[in-house]
Amino acid sequence: EVQLVESGGGFVQPGGSLRLSCAASGFTFNSYWMHWVRQVPGKGLVWVSRIYTDGSTTTYADSVKGRFTISRDNAKNTLYLQMNSLRDEDTAVYYCARGLGIRVFDIWGQGTMVTVSS
Amino acid sequence: QSALTQPASVSGSPGQSITISCTGTSSDVGGYNYVSWYQQHPGKAPKLMIYDVSNRPSGVSNRFSGSKSGNTASLTISGLQAEDEADYYCSSYTGSSTHVVFGGGTKLTVL
Repeated sequence: EVQLVESGGGFVQPGGSLRLSCAASGFTFNSYWMHWVRQVPGKGLVWVSRIYTDGSTTTYADSVKGRFTISRDNAKNTLYLQMNSLRDEDTAVYYCARGLGIRVFDIWGQGTMVTVSS
Repeated sequence: QSALTQPASVSGSPGQSITISCTGTSSDVGGYNYVSWYQQHPGKAPKLMIYDVSNRPSGVSNRFSGSKSGNTASLTISGLQAEDEADYYCSSYTGSSTHVVFGGGTKLTVL
């Protein structure tokens, strides 16, 4: 079964850090672009970041550029999102998603909640 | 503010057809045949329903169809069923550096 399972979410104070993980199974992980997409509860989807199959290319939304770092470990079939200097507005459910290239997200994880609050 | 504009809500009765619109610009929806649609039930992850304007992934019901005219894409659901009640999001490739934008979402209510 093709599956993505996120972990690492939680409660953090403004300025703090968290690292999200996304464990992939059921497909050839190193053949796909991978993405992070977030959603404030009750609001819409917002693309956050993506990484190429071998990790050589990464792109970020302007709102997280310089604070978040996407990476992957193809040996472990795992995607990461290191989030630093967190702000209240980063509070959201974070989904990892498999990309059909850079523009289509065909498999999604169940999401992990990140709450940034003092 | 989302880059693509969707109606906040639409509704229909079982068996009817509904259409959800997604309006962008010539820099996104109108410029490329790369519009996708996602279904999201409450508390669940999004699910890809349509990609590249009108293509259905394996396993998606043929009651779901997509089209595009100019800067507006549309998702049509025919033979509406109770299980179709969900939020629907469009997305499009864009020429910007981020390459993808989402709509604000549309809540579909099956009456």
